[in-house]
This record gives sequence, C-alpha cells and structure tokens, in this order.
Amino acid sequence: GDSVTQMEGPVTLSEEAFLTINCTYTATGYPSLFWYVQYPGEGLQLLLKATKADDKGSNKGFEATYRKETTSFHLEKGSVQVSDSAVYFCARHPLKTSYDKVIFGPGTSLSVIP
Amino acid sequence: GAGVSQSPRYKVAKRGQDVALRCDPISGHVSLFWYQQALGQGPEFLTYFQNEAQLDKSGLPSDRFFAERPEGSVSTLKIQRTQQEDSAVYLCASSLLGFEQYFGPGTRLTVT
Repeated sequence: GDSVTQMEGPVTLSEEAFLTINCTYTATGYPSLFWYVQYPGEGLQLLLKATKADDKGSNKGFEATYRKETTSFHLEKGSVQVSDSAVYFCARHPLKTSYDKVIFGPGTSLSVIP
Repeated sequence: GAGVSQSPRYKVAKRGQDVALRCDPISGHVSLFWYQQALGQGPEFLTYFQNEAQLDKSGLPSDRFFAERPEGSVSTLKIQRTQQEDSAVYLCASSLLGFEQYFGPGTRLTVT
C-alpha cells in the first residue's frame, strides 16, 4: 500500500554540521512528496514539497530531490542551526484518491547543539 | 489572518467518558482533515470533509469515533466511551481544494 519510511532518530548534530534524513516511499506511481516540520510546542508546518520525478523542493536552506530510480526523497541541509531542532516528517499523497490526504512517516527527531 | 484553531488544547478524560474536540478552520477553506498522532509517531488520517460532506471516514478506528461539520465550517470530533488507547494528539488541518494543508496546534487527549 501507500507508505513512507524514514530513518529513525533521534539525530543529534553540532551546529553547522551537514544533515541528511533518509526517506523512501512505496508506490507503483508518482505521488507528491513532502517534508513537514514540527517545532517544539507548535503545529505541523509544510517545509517543502515535490510533485513529480526529478523535482527539487527547497526552503529555509533545506532541500530534497524526488528520485524515482531509488524511490527516495532525502532531506538535506548543508549547515544546521540550533533553531532547526524539531521533528521532521516525510510524507506523501496516496495514489488513487481524488483529494489530498497526507500519509506521514514516523518522524525523525533532530537536536542541534551549539 | 487567523490560522486553524483547536479547542481545548488539553483534555483529560476518565475511561468511559465522552469527549468533543473542536476545530475552527481557516475561513473559506473547503477541505478539512482530522488526524490522530500517537506519542512518538507520525499523524494518521482519520477523516476528510469537503464543505459539509464527509467524503472519507476510513481512518476512524472504531464506531466510537464520530465527526461532523454541519455548516461546512467548524468541525467537531466526538469520541464516545473513551479508552486508554484513544490517548493521543488530535490534529485538524484545512485547505483550499488541491492546495497546502494548514494544521492547527492539536488537542492532547489523555484518558486515565
């Protein structure tokens, strides 16, 4: 069925380190893919998205490229900041629905230390 | 403008009690979603409304869960005879058709 898998956390990095959070999806088609972020005490926010193969989504220094060959959508940032500490969710739309419900991965907690 | 609001933010219920959780979507948003987020997990879809019509309730875990949106705006998620496994954060999101979903802060339900 429709699902996403992402690397388990928690992830702890020092400030200015390089970040990668892996995400893969199962599909026989090409669903829209997303990264959401949940900062402590706040609601979920859309961080970036890609709607077709080879698209690159980017926002706030984060990037992710939709790779159909590896069915992946890994999140990367070249230099993390303490303010990036949050839980990150890889997500997708299901195939074969006429509306846009979101299917989330389990989340990866990131802590950035000074 | 105002975002999605939810009330109450926290709810403690004794096992067997009924609870009602409210969602005020962004004005004009046609689509409204409810999700359940267990501790340490990603949100899971519960139900979807397009205006006042409930088009998908496939994610509701049991017939104790009921949602409504009678005038196509405010929505209420009701849980009857709460059980401990119902403890979770309940998230509401709204959107224009086909566009980004905006999430509320959630209601944290604890069943004791």
